[in-house]
Amino acid sequence: DIQMTQSPSSLSASVGDRVTITCQASQDIGNYLNWYQQKPGKAPKVLIYDASNLETGVPSRFSGSGSGTHFSFTISSLQPEDIATYYCQQYDNLPLTFGGGTKVEIK
Amino acid sequence: QVQLQESGPGLVKPSETLSLTCTVSGDSISGYYWSWIRQTPGKGLEWTGYIYYSGSTYYNPSLKNRVTMSVDTSKNQFSLKLSSVTAADTAVYYCARGTGYCSPISCYGNFDYWGQGTLVAVSS
Repeated sequence: DIQMTQSPSSLSASVGDRVTITCQASQDIGNYLNWYQQKPGKAPKVLIYDASNLETGVPSRFSGSGSGTHFSFTISSLQPEDIATYYCQQYDNLPLTFGGGTKVEIK
Repeated sequence: QVQLQESGPGLVKPSETLSLTCTVSGDSISGYYWSWIRQTPGKGLEWTGYIYYSGSTYYNPSLKNRVTMSVDTSKNQFSLKLSSVTAADTAVYYCARGTGYCSPISCYGNFDYWGQGTLVAVSS
């Protein structure tokens, strides 16, 4: 199985801060990576697909980049409604696997 | 608007079979692949496998041949059965729609619609 390692596991930042999360794959996955946002008590919601494409309706402050084994997810200006846990997910190989998540909190 | 709704018992005894159904509304179950994804505090998000409307399936090897998925296109539903459950199978179970397509290598795309999730506890 492809292991997806996210860091940090949690972070605390101020409103307006730039926040970056990284995701490392255990092998080359090209750009076959999605990013999801999960708010407490809710199902995950896709924000970024194919590593860098913004899902329709998602605010432009969210972005993704990377390819191969190293990926990053950025919130350019953190908003209170962005409090959530963020997950990466690879779809280069079966079984599909997720990262361990990054919990984002407001300082 | 596409909606998915999980249903099934919230409590299952150890060694018995967990059974869940996902009812899809707002779109046909045809033309997509469908998955069950479970979430535990310890293991995070775990993908259990997929089923197509045609009935073709793939199961995550981590579940050691305990999982079976089925589809009922007439009811726009698909189901999950997980046998010989233990406390480690206690989780929130989500059903989800996959975009793209599945090949022997992978399932492409992302999960664009999810159910609200249902907590299944394994306990005597």
